[in-house]
Amino acid sequence: AQKITQTQPGMFVQEKEAVTLDCTYDTSDPSYGLFWYKQPSSGEMIFLIYQGSYDQQNATEGRYSLNFQKARKSANLVISASQLGDSAMYFCAMREGTGNQFYFGTGTSLTVIP
Amino acid sequence: ETGVTQTPRHLVMGMTNKKSLKCEQHLGHNAMYWYKQSAKKPLELMFVYNFKEQTENNSVPSRFSPECPNSSHLFLHLHTLQPEDSALYLCASSHLYGGRTGFDEQFFGPGTRLTVL
Repeated sequence: AQKITQTQPGMFVQEKEAVTLDCTYDTSDPSYGLFWYKQPSSGEMIFLIYQGSYDQQNATEGRYSLNFQKARKSANLVISASQLGDSAMYFCAMREGTGNQFYFGTGTSLTVIP
Repeated sequence: ETGVTQTPRHLVMGMTNKKSLKCEQHLGHNAMYWYKQSAKKPLELMFVYNFKEQTENNSVPSRFSPECPNSSHLFLHLHTLQPEDSALYLCASSHLYGGRTGFDEQFFGPGTRLTVL
């Protein structure tokens, strides 16, 4: 079974609007971390935001917030006030407490329309 | 220089060539990783080195040979590759591999775009 599932291969959003990128995960380990990375066309993976499985509050970093719903095993990324520079691939990833390996999803391509 | 650097950024090679990819991290991290990124597939972890020791080899064909001379440098030696090996090869580093779960993000390099003819 896939550890990380991203069901949206491509998304479009109007500039200055908010957008939600979906991510669901699968683990039986009670201790894990969830990460979102951005990959522009240049190729480099840029870390955006982190959520720990024991964190009580949803993580926020500037315009990025993570909608963490533990019971549903979802960790959606919300980008507010989209900018043209947000156009990129976005990857959700998980690190389990016991396995220590990072598992990545297939990514979502976000295009911000002016 | 800062962060994680990779050279070359682009590489075209024939199936009989031998080449090497280089990765260097300037972050004082102890763990380094090689990933393969193909179109429409999740990132595939290839190798992990922790304190210069290889700790993971995810069933990677022997035509890919990693080398980690120290905690700051990681190489991927390539020989007799196949066209399906064409992909973006990403190097990453993190503070520790096998430590407590927590905020231990991986820092990625810009990748090497490899084309095998």
